[in-house]
Amino acid sequence: KAGVTQTPRYLIKTRGQQVTLSCSPISGHRSVSWYQQTPGQGLQFLFEYFSETQRNKGNFPGRFSGRQFSNSRSEMNVSTLELGDSALYLCASSSSRTGANTGELFFGEGSRLTVL
Amino acid sequence: GEDVEQSLFLSVREGDSSVINCTYTDSSSTYLYWYKQEPGAGLQLLTYIFSNMDMKQDQRLTVLLNKKDKHLSLRIADTQTGDSAIYFCAESGYSSASKIIFGSGTRLSIRP
Repeated sequence: KAGVTQTPRYLIKTRGQQVTLSCSPISGHRSVSWYQQTPGQGLQFLFEYFSETQRNKGNFPGRFSGRQFSNSRSEMNVSTLELGDSALYLCASSSSRTGANTGELFFGEGSRLTVL
Repeated sequence: GEDVEQSLFLSVREGDSSVINCTYTDSSSTYLYWYKQEPGAGLQLLTYIFSNMDMKQDQRLTVLLNKKDKHLSLRIADTQTGDSAIYFCAESGYSSASKIIFGSGTRLSIRP
């Protein structure tokens, strides 16, 4: 079974640009979560989608948005990039059907974004 | 709000036991987890414990939960060089079980 696939793996942008990251979950998984990982802040929860609906949201500004498609693939978008947005963006999928789950998230290898 | 805290570094000698500690603030935490991240890789779930349990053992791993003090620990017996990684403590609450909050991670290094 293929794992969680994130594209692109690496990208460089300049301040003010926008970026779209993509995540393909494990086949059959309907929940996709996004995390931002930085050395200073650690892993911070961005949002979680289930069946094309945002189910939970972290404390990030509106420049960070996401969506999920009917095939469970997800994208996240960051507009008006700032230097502080440089990070590893991790996507994780799970088979959670309801709000309750055992927390087994399956992570991709991440998309490393550098903002210059 | 929810917060999970861990020490940043731990160094142990090969063959010794490693104990990684974590504290959390959300008293409604339902599940508590330990994830492992090896260099260049995503996170991998090691083990989890439900909040009504005190202890869970899985081969070399022992998880202890003190719910009163909101303290979670992971003990790795007979630590090997392959255990070198960053270990993340995480929790999710009953009201938002799909929102998992992670600690900053503890980097475990093994001395020969």
